[in-house]
Amino acid sequence: GQNIDQPTEMTATEGAIVQINCTYQTSGFNGLFWYQQHAGEAPTFLSYNVLDGLEEKGRFSSFLSRSKGYSYLLLKELQMKDSASYLCAVEDSNYQLIWGAGTKLIIKP
Amino acid sequence: IAGITQAPTSQILAAGRRMTLRCTQDMRHNAMYWYRQDLGLGLRLIHYSNTAGTTGKGEVPDGYSVSRANTDDFPLTLASAVPSQTSVYFCASSDRAGGDEQFFGPGTRLTVL
Repeated sequence: GQNIDQPTEMTATEGAIVQINCTYQTSGFNGLFWYQQHAGEAPTFLSYNVLDGLEEKGRFSSFLSRSKGYSYLLLKELQMKDSASYLCAVEDSNYQLIWGAGTKLIIKP
Repeated sequence: IAGITQAPTSQILAAGRRMTLRCTQDMRHNAMYWYRQDLGLGLRLIHYSNTAGTTGKGEVPDGYSVSRANTDDFPLTLASAVPSQTSVYFCASSDRAGGDEQFFGPGTRLTVL
């Protein structure tokens, strides 16, 4: 079967760094996406990894290891507005996205 | 219109009724998707369309149908609604099917009683 695992909830402090992990087992792999979703809103794109390694984009970075079926999203200099759910999604061999249930990130002052 | 829109924003529906959720994009994207999002579960693909005139079934297609008569519109129809179809429905689009960022509409919150 296809499976995407992420922690259900994480808490971090404003100004700190947090790492959100995602492990996957899917039928094929054509890339991994991270999306951000604020409560009551639509998901918005954060990053896309297709090759192993780290992709940096401002305060956010995403890492992929295809051999380990593992990715993480790193958020630096946390701000209160970063309180949201973070969704990991893998593009399978049919180019369809398989989504994790999301990690709710709570930022405390 | 800017981006992707959905209508209605929310709806309460009696079981057994027919309902069409509308989705329109103005980005001239080739691919469009319908997802449902339920608490504790990831987004699940209902139906998709890689290009106008074609559609395909996703992970949870039963009880739903779609059409793609043109590039911009991708309506989702519930022929006879059941309570288990209570969910938040998101429409999304991408320039191409595969390896491309998906843009999401604001969602439709549907309650079936």
